[in-house]
Amino acid sequence: AIQMTQSPSSLSASVGDRVTITCRASQGIRNDLGWYQQKPGKAPKLLIYAASSLQSGVPSRFRGSGSGTDFTLTISSLQPEDFATYFCLQEYNYPLTFGGGTKVEIK
Amino acid sequence: EVQLVESGGDLIQPGRSLRLSCKVSGFTFGSYAMSWVRQTPGKGLEWVGFIRSKAYGGTTEFAASVKGRFTISRDDSKSIAYLQMNSLKTEDTAVYFCARTVTMPHYYMDVWGTGTTVTVSS
Repeated sequence: AIQMTQSPSSLSASVGDRVTITCRASQGIRNDLGWYQQKPGKAPKLLIYAASSLQSGVPSRFRGSGSGTDFTLTISSLQPEDFATYFCLQEYNYPLTFGGGTKVEIK
Repeated sequence: EVQLVESGGDLIQPGRSLRLSCKVSGFTFGSYAMSWVRQTPGKGLEWVGFIRSKAYGGTTEFAASVKGRFTISRDDSKSIAYLQMNSLKTEDTAVYFCARTVTMPHYYMDVWGTGTTVTVSS
């Protein structure tokens, strides 16, 4: 199975900060990657699919980039509602695999 | 309003079976694939498997950890997806989410249920 390594596992940031989360695949996965946000006690929410396509209704401060093995989720200006855990998911082949998650906390 | 509601979670002994249901409303169920994802307490997410729509054969794919023990089925007339879990192990303890899934040209889960809790313990 393809392994997805996310970094960092956690970070502290302030409102207004630019935040970058990375996901590295153990093999090339083209642009077959999505990003999900999860808040405590809630279901995950789709942010980005196909590495860089913004899901409808998701604020434009979220941006996904990358292809092959290295991917990035960038939040251009962190808002209070963005404090959450973020996961990447490769959909290149089965079984699909999630990254370990990045918890974004308030500094 | 698009809604997915899971049910069937329970406290159950190792080796037993359990069936989860995912009842949907607000969209044409038969046009979508349906996925199951689980989350162990305080841990990350694990993709469990999914079922394609009938238009794509209604076939299934599974994670290695559940292959051969879990099956997924769907009843398009009732707008329900099922996750049949057999030979349950303590490591299957988790919150189980169902999610509406788009598969072409990319796979993504765009609407999720709130989850149902399965605890496997003697």
